[in-house]
Amino acid sequence: DAGVIQSPRHEVTEMGQEVTLRCKPISGHDYLFWYRQTMMRGLELLIYFNNNVPIDDSGMPEDRFSAKMPNASFSTLKIQPSEPRDSAVYFCASSRDRRNTIYFGEGSWLTVV
Amino acid sequence: SQKIEQNSEALNIQEGKTATLTCNYTNYSPAYLQWYRQDPGRGPVFLLLIRENEKEKRKERLKVTFDTTLKQSLFHITASQPADSATYLCALPLSNFGNEKLTFGTGTRLTIIP
Repeated sequence: DAGVIQSPRHEVTEMGQEVTLRCKPISGHDYLFWYRQTMMRGLELLIYFNNNVPIDDSGMPEDRFSAKMPNASFSTLKIQPSEPRDSAVYFCASSRDRRNTIYFGEGSWLTVV
Repeated sequence: SQKIEQNSEALNIQEGKTATLTCNYTNYSPAYLQWYRQDPGRGPVFLLLIRENEKEKRKERLKVTFDTTLKQSLFHITASQPADSATYLCALPLSNFGNEKLTFGTGTRLTIIP
């Protein structure tokens, strides 16, 4: 299996611009997670989906953040408008169910200037 | 909510020695605790899971202990090698949840010195 695939790997954007991060989970995995990692706060769960349905978005920092999962093989995390404090590594992860191993993608490194 | 503390941001160990990393948590004791490895520029990779009724778990040169009285897990790497250099994260689920609500520690950056 190819693992969790994320794009872009790196993005530099100007404050105020819209940013869209993409994720393809492992086939057959029913759970999809979006995490954010920073030096100060570590790895934080933003939102997770079960069978394409958003279950818990309590970790999403602000209304500027939104996530969708239109089908079992694709999810997006959008930031609009972006701000410098959004600079972080954003990880997508997936798992077969809530008891099984979580597999992380390689991350999308976002810098907002 | 659960707070996790991992000992020291960085740990330097001589090759061949045993590296010991600590994960302490507050509040409730979780049903299980996990350890992950993260290399620079990569995503975390799952290593081991230990349940609350297990005192110790081993996988090759790795050993994890779980003390619910002390609210602590220890992660040991025996006969350490430079290839073991990475950041190690502990993670545990929120009460009454599984892996869908994991809380991660900030990690310990381990460097094995040849």
